[in-house]
Amino acid sequence: GAGVSQSPSNKVTEKGKDVELRCDPISGHTALYWYRQSLGQGLEFLIYFQGNSAPDKSGLPSDRFSAERTGGSVSTLTIQRTQQEDSAVYLCASSLVTGDYGYTFGSGTRLTVV
Amino acid sequence: TQLLEQSPQFLSIQEGENLTVYCNSSSVFSSLQWYRQEPGEGPVLLVTVVTGGEVKKLKRLTFQFGDARKDSSLHITAAQPGDTGLYLCAGTSGNTPLVFGKGTRLSVIA
Repeated sequence: GAGVSQSPSNKVTEKGKDVELRCDPISGHTALYWYRQSLGQGLEFLIYFQGNSAPDKSGLPSDRFSAERTGGSVSTLTIQRTQQEDSAVYLCASSLVTGDYGYTFGSGTRLTVV
Repeated sequence: TQLLEQSPQFLSIQEGENLTVYCNSSSVFSSLQWYRQEPGEGPVLLVTVVTGGEVKKLKRLTFQFGDARKDSSLHITAAQPGDTGLYLCAGTSGNTPLVFGKGTRLSVIA
C-alpha cells in the first residue's frame, strides 16, 4: 500500500482480556517496528523485525507482550491479560532496511484498558 | 542505553518569531532524524542528518548535526501556526532501532 496501515484505530478492552493489534507495512520495506507512546511521553521501542532475521524483542516490557510477522509483511502485536498500564498509543513503522533510513509510521492504535 | 534529551519540553510563541529546539545525548549516533507529529497521527519524517557538522535546510527549518554527532538542533524562522505540533528527535547507531527523545510540543499563536 501507499502507507503503513494499522487496525483498529481505537480499542477499548476490559482488564484481563487479550488484544491483537495489526500492522500492514509499506510493500518492499524489510524492516518493521513497534513503538508505544504514552500520554506526554516519547516513543518507547518494543520490538523490530528485519527480513528473515530473528526479531529484536529487547523492548518488550513483559512476557504478556508478543509479536509476529508473517511472510515478511503483516505484523500482529498481541497483549495478553491486559492491564491498565498498557493503555497507550501503539505505533507501527516500516523502513526500507534497518539503519539510517527514515521510518514511515502508521496512525497508531489507541488502546484503552478499563 | 542511549538517551536523547530534548529541550525545551514546551514552547509557546507568537507567529513570526524564531525558535530553536535542542536534542542532546552523551552517546554518538550514526545519524539523527527529526519528526513532526500532529494529534491522532504518527510521526512524519522531516530530515535525516548523517555527517558531523552537517546543516540541512527545509524551507524555514534549519537542522544541524553536532560535530561530535552527539547532538542536533532544529531552528524555525518566522514560525507560523501550521508549524504547531510535537517535534521529536531520534537517533540510531546504524543497525539499531531509533531511540526517540520525549519531544518538544510547539504552539504557534496567530
